[in-house]
Amino acid sequence: QQQVKQSPQSLIVQKGGISIINCAYENTAFDYFPWYQQFPGKGPALLIAIRPDVSEKKEGRFTISFNKSAKQFSLHIMDSQPGDSATYFCAASLQSNDYKLSFGAGTTVTVRA
Amino acid sequence: DAGITQSPRHKVTETGTPVTLRCHQTENHRYMYWYRQDPGHGLRLIHYSYGVKDTDKGEVSDGYSVSRSKTEDFLLTLESATSSQTSVYFCAIKGTEDTQYFGPGTRLTVL
Repeated sequence: QQQVKQSPQSLIVQKGGISIINCAYENTAFDYFPWYQQFPGKGPALLIAIRPDVSEKKEGRFTISFNKSAKQFSLHIMDSQPGDSATYFCAASLQSNDYKLSFGAGTTVTVRA
Repeated sequence: DAGITQSPRHKVTETGTPVTLRCHQTENHRYMYWYRQDPGHGLRLIHYSYGVKDTDKGEVSDGYSVSRSKTEDFLLTLESATSSQTSVYFCAIKGTEDTQYFGPGTRLTVL
């Protein structure tokens, strides 16, 4: 069964707006939660990651919010730019399980100029 | 790109033929992974390796085998390709922290 569920499947945002992508996970033992960005024809690239002992992490315009009790985490893209148009994947892994990643299904973000 | 290359980058083959995809890394990482990417499924783990000659199955391993005879190379073999194995295949390595870094991918079409 899918261990990480991601929504929405796609979203459209105006330039300068905020994009929000949500993920929920099942396994409370997960100890690492990365977000990947993927452009067409390229491999996924690490965007930002968080561990469950932290509730929020910010890197530039990208912020992860983490809610351990709800088993949810989200990616916020502030001041969205056309260059942010890509597919975003949330994922989760467990160090004691050989760091194997379980991915969400992905969200395609389109930023309109 | 963490020094990861994949070959071939594109391949078209026929049902029933064997296919081998290669992943090569230059930075001596212990862990290597093979994923497939299909619309609506994200990336799913096929097999992975935690050292030379040490491999294990992932979520969608049926119809696939792997080998790792050298640290730098991790091979994925489709023993008898089927149309359901048409996909984009990504190799990844585990770098610092728990982070995985992905290669550029191989687009495989099985006719």
